[in-house]
Amino acid sequence: RKEVEQDPGPFNVPEGATVAFNCTYSNSASQSFFWYRQDCRKEPKLLMSVYSSGNEDGRFTAQLNRASQYISLLIRDSKLSDSATYLCVVNQFYFGTGTSLTVIP
Amino acid sequence: EPEVTQTPSHQVTQMGQEVILRCVPISNHLYFYWYRQILGQKVEFLVSFYNNEISEKSEIFDDQFSVERPDGSNFTLKIRSTKLEDSAMYFCASRRAGLPLHFGNGTRLTVT
Repeated sequence: RKEVEQDPGPFNVPEGATVAFNCTYSNSASQSFFWYRQDCRKEPKLLMSVYSSGNEDGRFTAQLNRASQYISLLIRDSKLSDSATYLCVVNQFYFGTGTSLTVIP
Repeated sequence: EPEVTQTPSHQVTQMGQEVILRCVPISNHLYFYWYRQILGQKVEFLVSFYNNEISEKSEIFDDQFSVERPDGSNFTLKIRSTKLEDSAMYFCASRRAGLPLHFGNGTRLTVT
């Protein structure tokens, strides 16, 4: 069983749409969770950490569900510049395959 | 904003040759990492380094790989005898305790 599973997409959404990504993890003892954004052939860049109580940063909301062992990322009012691959990361060691998002004008 | 720097940005080498990939982590970070990403695939953890020793390593990090912190600023990844399948983007990352990873811009390794 994979440590982290993530729907690869692609997600193609119109500007202004709301889109959600999920990621499941297998180790219930996992402690830290993050969402990173990766543009084509570039390094991953931190989007946000994911806290147990859920957290929001502008148009982005991250949530953690320990009981079901998944994390989620919600992007509201999508912009063209949100087009990228979104990676979930667990414990600095385990990366999801990434979910590709394209925001269409 | 301080950043992790990696050199070279692109390295081409012949199969069987040794390569050293270099990284300068952010200066007040204590935890250092190497990852690789084969084209079109996910980021894979190779090794983590703390307090001048390896703290974790993956199955990928076999005897062909080694890491070193030769001075107070550099953190290197050596591949002793490269194989075609070592071709990938290699990312260095660093962090402070309890905080997220900061990635360098990567070295693209091409083994011919």
